[in-house]
Amino acid sequence: EAGVVQSPRYKIIEKKQPVAFWCNPISGHNTLYWYLQNLGQGPELLIRYENEEAVDDSQLPKDRFSAERLKGVDSTLKIQPAELGDSAVYLCASSLGGQLQETQYFGPGTRLLVL
Amino acid sequence: GQNIDQPTEMTATEGAIVQINCTYQTSGFNGLFWYQQHAGEAPTFLSYNVLDGLEEKGRFSSFLSRSKGYSYLLLKELQMKDSASYLCAVREGYKLSFGAGTTVTVRA
Repeated sequence: EAGVVQSPRYKIIEKKQPVAFWCNPISGHNTLYWYLQNLGQGPELLIRYENEEAVDDSQLPKDRFSAERLKGVDSTLKIQPAELGDSAVYLCASSLGGQLQETQYFGPGTRLLVL
Repeated sequence: GQNIDQPTEMTATEGAIVQINCTYQTSGFNGLFWYQQHAGEAPTFLSYNVLDGLEEKGRFSSFLSRSKGYSYLLLKELQMKDSASYLCAVREGYKLSFGAGTTVTVRA
């Protein structure tokens, strides 16, 4: 069974440029998460989707970050414009959905460097 | 909100045992997870505790005391491949909050 797929794996951009990340969750997983992980820190939740609905986006900086999951499967996370402080790893995770105890499975992440 | 504390670094010898402690403060609790993360890779699930006690899974065991807000991950018979960061994560409702991780270095 394929795991969570993310692309690109690495991205280098100049500040003020836009950037987008893509995630394909594990087949059959209804819940999708985007996390940000800074060096030496644990992942921090940006947004959680239940199918195509964003049910928790309280930690998403909405002035520059946006996300979508139009058909309830793949998702994209966008930053426009990017700032130096956005350099981090962006992790996507998925879970079956609906159960409090369920495990989240993570993708390999996109490592973003803003110059 | 939650405060999740775990040591920054630990070093141990191959074949030894290491215990990684995690303390947390939360207004709601729906379970505690441990993840392993090798450098540059995705966090991978190790264990889940929701009730007090010890859960054993091969060389890894995880313990939880809800009244004390305390958990530990025990790694036995350490191997070089166990060198990684170990993340403690607490679930409150549907939200998972992570500690900063403990970097374990296994020396020959």
